[in-house]
Amino acid sequence: KQEVTQIPAALSVPEGENLVLNCSFTDSAIYNLQWFRQDPGKGLTSLLLIQSSQREQTSGRLNASLDKSSGRSTLYIAASQPGDSATYLCAVYNTNAGKSTFGDGTTLTVKP
Amino acid sequence: NAGVTQTPKFRILKIGQSMTLQCTQDMNHNYMYWYRQDPGMGLKLIYYSVGAGITDKGEVPNGYNVSRSTTEDFPLRLELAAPSQTSVYFCASSRQDQETQYFGPGTRLLVL
Repeated sequence: KQEVTQIPAALSVPEGENLVLNCSFTDSAIYNLQWFRQDPGKGLTSLLLIQSSQREQTSGRLNASLDKSSGRSTLYIAASQPGDSATYLCAVYNTNAGKSTFGDGTTLTVKP
Repeated sequence: NAGVTQTPKFRILKIGQSMTLQCTQDMNHNYMYWYRQDPGMGLKLIYYSVGAGITDKGEVPNGYNVSRSTTEDFPLRLELAAPSQTSVYFCASSRQDQETQYFGPGTRLLVL
């Protein structure tokens, strides 16, 4: 059974700092990995999707990497802003299971 | 383009009552999903559907039922509500199972 872990559960940084969020998974036979953002009381918004054959994906100040063999992904946020404050979840899709497994998320607070 | 819509936004139920959570998507997606999210946790899959007339159980289906009579709608039925079903419920859709999922804003349910 796939297990997805996100550490730390919460992170607080000053504005302007570069930061890394971590996601690890136990079953490396994944099809893709997705990073989501969730604002308080809202649904999830997809940020980046990395296929298993890819090493990284970039969108603006966000860069997600994937190391399938070690079961790890990182989300790098450059020059953090208060508007980046949210909970970030990763989800891995396993073809054999036919579904996505979500981590519990990392709640990020960027202080002005 | 509304995307994925959910109603109601919030509901209080008494133990033993029943209700239906509504979900509609206008993207002509084949796949639709129901998740629940407990406080501080990730999402757990309740049921999913690969197309009209086809549904299947997810990780935590007990106490719930679904139907998919059209491509657009995927209602979730709670029979005999229990306090353990207090949670936030998210509906999502995707074109194919391994592609990006688009989420609705969620329904917050409190069972007392």
